Amino acid sequence: KQEVTQIPAALSVPEGENLVLNCSFTDSAIYNLQWFRQDPGKGLTSLLLIQSSQREQTSGRLNASLDKSSGRSTLYIAASQPGDSATYLCAPRGSSYKLIFGSGTRLLVRP
Amino acid sequence: DAGVIQSPRHEVTEMGQEVTLRCKPISGHNSLFWYRQTMMRGLELLIYFNNNVPIDDSGMPEDRFSAKMPNASFSTLKIQPSEPRDSAVYFCASTQRTQGNNQPQHFGDGTRLSIL
Repeated sequence: KQEVTQIPAALSVPEGENLVLNCSFTDSAIYNLQWFRQDPGKGLTSLLLIQSSQREQTSGRLNASLDKSSGRSTLYIAASQPGDSATYLCAPRGSSYKLIFGSGTRLLVRP
Repeated sequence: DAGVIQSPRHEVTEMGQEVTLRCKPISGHNSLFWYRQTMMRGLELLIYFNNNVPIDDSGMPEDRFSAKMPNASFSTLKIQPSEPRDSAVYFCASTQRTQGNNQPQHFGDGTRLSIL
């Protein structure tokens, strides 16, 4: 059974810092891994989808890496802004099309 | 482009009442998912459909929950009778599933359900 852990659970940083959010998963037989952000009271917004054959995926100030064999993914946020404050969730996908979610990292970027 | 549309956004009802949640997936998507989010258990998949057919309902908590997808543009999740422990945010998501083609899942804004 896939288990997903996200570290840290919460993070508070001043604006402008570069951040690394960590995601680990127990079953490396995944097809892809998706990173989402969730704002309070809102749905999930897809940020990046990284395929199992890829090592990295980039979108603007966001960069996701994947090391499938070791069961790890990281989300790198460059030059953080207060608008980046949200909960970030990672979700690997196995052969069944199920996404298994971590409990998230709650990020606060202080002005 | 319209995203995944869920209704209602909020629902407050009394224990024992029937609750129906609705979802319209993104046009052209052929897979639809229902998730539930609670503080205790996080996000959990309840059921998913491919081409309107339920593929995996192992996450449906019990017989009080049922889901249907009568056509490619509409799905319902029904709880009857509802109980206070069903209080949660229910999300619908959709994606385009094709052989060897991994696409992201896109989520609606959710229905916040409170059972009194």
